[in-house]
Amino acid sequence: DAGITQSPRHKVTETGTPVTLRCHQTENHRYMYWYRQDPGHGLRLIHYSYGVKDTDKGEVSDGYSVSRSKTEDFLLTLESATSSQTSVYFCAISGTNSNQPQHFGDGTRLSIL
Amino acid sequence: DQQVKQNSPSLSVQEGRISILNCDYTNSMFDYFLWYKKYPAEGPTFLISISSIKDKNEDGRFTVFLNKSAKHLSLHIVPSQPGDSAVYFCAARLNTGNQFYFGTGTSLTVIP
Repeated sequence: DAGITQSPRHKVTETGTPVTLRCHQTENHRYMYWYRQDPGHGLRLIHYSYGVKDTDKGEVSDGYSVSRSKTEDFLLTLESATSSQTSVYFCAISGTNSNQPQHFGDGTRLSIL
Repeated sequence: DQQVKQNSPSLSVQEGRISILNCDYTNSMFDYFLWYKKYPAEGPTFLISISSIKDKNEDGRFTVFLNKSAKHLSLHIVPSQPGDSAVYFCAARLNTGNQFYFGTGTSLTVIP
């Protein structure tokens, strides 16, 4: 299994509070991604990174920010959580070789009350 | 707008029979296609992939077919086993970078 660790695995918080999710990889892969999974929507890309300090927006980036100060860590921050951000969040990594698949962490279940 | 679509939310198949999962896409700039399997409370697991220069790729019981003219992808599982019961996602990568787009998933149930 790809070495991807997401933390925390579960979190319950209140509307308006800041939340940070962490993704840690031991594969030294260049690319890292944050997705959210919601019923009827599948997996939607929030942000991704193509190197240290290099990030870009995905299709549902509003209300989220990311940072990547080290190759192995990719942080997702909800500056002021809203109930619409209740979801399961997945981190994924992929390498630079041609036609290399993404590999996923086990997810973080986030509930915002 | 959903660029990768899985129009069947669920599928039930008898054990030993063939399971066929379908996926359609709209963007002709996708160059790499993948299928993932997901169990509850786990992350998606890579299953099989195909490059846009091919029309078939096989790995054991799993075969992926690509019809570029129809912008259609399918996954065949033969023979189906109860352990194959899971949600299956198809995904596609843009040739302009390393962004992947996912379908909404198909829940497969293999009945013993």
